[in-house]
Amino acid sequence: QTVVTQEPSLTVSPGGTVTLTCASSTGAVTSGYSPNWFQQIPGQAPRPLIYSISNRHSWTPARFSGSLLGGKAALTLSGVQPEDEAEYYCLLYYGGARVFGGGTKLTVL
Amino acid sequence: QVQLVQSGAEVKKPGASVKVSCKASGYTFTTYGISWVRQAPGQGLEWMGYISPYSGNTNYAQKFQGRVTMTTDTSTTTAYMELRSLRSDDTAMYYCARTTETFDYWGQGTLVTVSS
Repeated sequence: QTVVTQEPSLTVSPGGTVTLTCASSTGAVTSGYSPNWFQQIPGQAPRPLIYSISNRHSWTPARFSGSLLGGKAALTLSGVQPEDEAEYYCLLYYGGARVFGGGTKLTVL
Repeated sequence: QVQLVQSGAEVKKPGASVKVSCKASGYTFTTYGISWVRQAPGQGLEWMGYISPYSGNTNYAQKFQGRVTMTTDTSTTTAYMELRSLRSDDTAMYYCARTTETFDYWGQGTLVTVSS
């Protein structure tokens, strides 16, 4: 049973910077896992933010960036806005199967 | 514009089956896959599986093997997800998502409630 682990919760101040991470129980996350990141606001469908490690969708603000960091996938928010308060999920690809992380609840305070 | 429109909410009894539809428009249906994702109340996202409308090939999460069937109808550009032997813990919002290297467009979700 593959497990993808994210921080359960993080808090950041408006205008600050925060990094969310995504780890795989199988070992280091590499480009082959094609990490994706999604934002979800309660009551709404998930909104895709980042794909294939670091590619933004056309609607993704530039303050969101993706990378690989220390064997994990990472999502960094720079210049955090109040509207960034949400749940964030990563998704990893395992040669056909996909697994979501448990999500990180980001509080902007 | 790309749209995925799902069927309406369902209430089912334990042991029954449910079939959720996902009508795609605004793009060439056979060029992209469709994934199904569910979310139980207050819980995280769970990937259920994937289907290629081009080939009909499927890939199901191990947890749902034997209990789920994903199909497509290219004449109506509609994807379907059928889940059988429903239990109370299948109560969730079910989403379809257009899939390549990302899940870039999502349906609005279909709430399936399993209750006796």
